[in-house]
Parts: sequence; C-alpha cells; structure tokens
Amino acid sequence: RKEVEQDPGPFNVPEGATVAFNCTYSNSASQSFFWYRQDCRKEPKLLMSVYSSGNEDGRFTAQLNRASQYISLLIRDSKLSDSATYLCVVPSGSARQLTFGSGTQLTVLP
Amino acid sequence: GAVVSQHPSRVICKSGTSVKIECRSLDFQATTMFWYRQFPKQSLMLMATSNEGSKATYEQGVEKDKFLINHASLTLSTLTVTSAHPEDSSFYICSARGLLPGQETQYFGPGTRLLVL
Repeated sequence: RKEVEQDPGPFNVPEGATVAFNCTYSNSASQSFFWYRQDCRKEPKLLMSVYSSGNEDGRFTAQLNRASQYISLLIRDSKLSDSATYLCVVPSGSARQLTFGSGTQLTVLP
Repeated sequence: GAVVSQHPSRVICKSGTSVKIECRSLDFQATTMFWYRQFPKQSLMLMATSNEGSKATYEQGVEKDKFLINHASLTLSTLTVTSAHPEDSSFYICSARGLLPGQETQYFGPGTRLLVL
C-alpha cells in the first residue's frame, strides 16, 4: 500500500458545484495532515492543515477519519480559480519529511 | 508568510555539465531544508533532507554523489546536479522549515526547471 493515495481524477465540474476529494494514508501514527494546491508549473502552496477531526476555511472543509485513515477535502461553490492539482500530504520520519500523494486534478468549467 | 527563493528559476544546459541550484529562506532561519523533484504529471518526490552543518540524508534511489547538497548556513542550501544528463531534466523544488515554534510548516521555493540537452 502506498503511503499516501489519492483519487486519481481528473475532476471536471461546473462553476458553483461542490466537489470532494479523498486521500488515504498508511501510517496510523501520523498526527497531522495537509492539503496543498499546485497550479501548473508552480510550486505547491499550503491550503489547509488538519490536526484534529477537521478544519474549515471558507468554502474549504477538510475532514479526518483516523479510524479509517483517510482525509477528505470538500470544496463548495467552486470557482474557476479553484482549478489546480490538489495534493494530500502527510509528514513522516524523524525529520518530518512530507510525503505527497499523486495529486488530484480539478478543472472548474464556466 | 515565510518566503523561500530559488535561483535560477530555469536553466538549460548541455549533457555532462554540472548545475547548481540555490535555495534561500529570506525572512526566517531554516534548520532543515528539503529537496524535491517533480517529473511531468507526477507528484513531488523527496530527494534529500538537508540539515544545517551536517550531511544530507538521501532518499532511497537518489545518488548522493550525483546530487550534491550543501547546507552551509541557516538560510542557504544548494543542490548541485553533477554531470547532468537528459533524464535529469525535471522541476526541482526546495522547501524550508523554520527554527522557532510556529515555524514547523514547510515553505516551498518557486522551483527550478532544468532542461538537459
């Protein structure tokens, strides 16, 4: 099993739609989780951190299910500017290296 | 938020030459810097973890003699791709983690696109 697995996508949704991505992780000892977004040919940028059961920031909601070892990201009222690749990230190792999922590509259509 | 810079942003070189990429934390001291590589349509893969004043820790499959990392100060780490070949063409991204509490988040540089002809 991969350390971090994500929905492969791509997701093509109309503006205003609600879309959810799932991510599973293999290390049950992981305590914190991140969602990053990466625009084409750019570096990843932190979108949300998840330390407990979940986190909400405007249209974005991240939820954590420790028993099932998955994290989800919900985007409500999608905007064209939400089009990007969303990366599920789990710190691991003694230096808290980040392990990235393969990413889920989202395209919001007008 | 914290700022991390990388230089150069893009480099094209001939096969067999060496290329040095710099990663700087501009407004905080970074005890640890990470180097990633991303091939087209793939996710970021960690290459090595660099701690100031000590040898870098390389991930499995990454040749330490080919990818030389130097972390001489708390604000600068360099990655040198030695004797670059076309298969080394990739997007190289560094990230830096701060020293102080509250700076545990990794901040990414803008990346360096390397094209080896």
